[in-house]
Amino acid sequence: EAGVTQSPTHLIKTRGQQATLRCSPISGHTSVYWYQQALGLGLQFLLWYDEGEERNRGNFPPRFSGRQFPNYSSELNVNALELEDSALYLCASSLDGTTYLYNEQFFGPGTRLTVL
Amino acid sequence: DQQVKQNSPSLSVQEGRISILNCDYTNSMFDYFLWYKKYPAEGPTFLISISSIKDKNEDGRFTVFLNKSAKHLSLHIVPSQPGDSAVYFCAASAGSGAGSYQLTFGKGTKLSVIP
Repeated sequence: EAGVTQSPTHLIKTRGQQATLRCSPISGHTSVYWYQQALGLGLQFLLWYDEGEERNRGNFPPRFSGRQFPNYSSELNVNALELEDSALYLCASSLDGTTYLYNEQFFGPGTRLTVL
Repeated sequence: DQQVKQNSPSLSVQEGRISILNCDYTNSMFDYFLWYKKYPAEGPTFLISISSIKDKNEDGRFTVFLNKSAKHLSLHIVPSQPGDSAVYFCAASAGSGAGSYQLTFGKGTKLSVIP
């Protein structure tokens, strides 16, 4: 069974540009989560999508946005890039995010975003 | 405001000995706790979890202990092996309300197991 996949592996952008990161969850998983891991920090929760809807977002500005497609894959968009957006962006998926079940989140390898 | 804290950035242990990784939390709504292991250039992988109704959960060489009154959990690895060398993240979630299923992570502890 294929795991969570993310593309691209690395992305280099300059300040002010936009970045688009993509994630494909494990087959059968409907929930997708995005996390940011900046240098020296733990994983910071960014966004959670389930069944095509944004269920919750972390403490990040609105220029961080995303969406989930009908096939449950997801896209993270970061507009007006700033230097401090340089980080590893991790996507995770779980079976179901809306029932009272503690579903393990499976992580992809991440996209390393560098803003110059 | 860090709700999940791993106060030791790094830990070195001899092969065969016990590794103890600690984690403290401040949010009393957290009722499910997980440990993830992360190797360089890979995403975190789930290791073991514990619900707040338990105080101990064991899986092979890995045991997680939860002390709710102290808001503290620990991961014990016995015996430690060189392949256990990785960054270990403690994570927590709350079981109700909006955002229940998102995980709040600590900053991680880098474990080095010396052969």
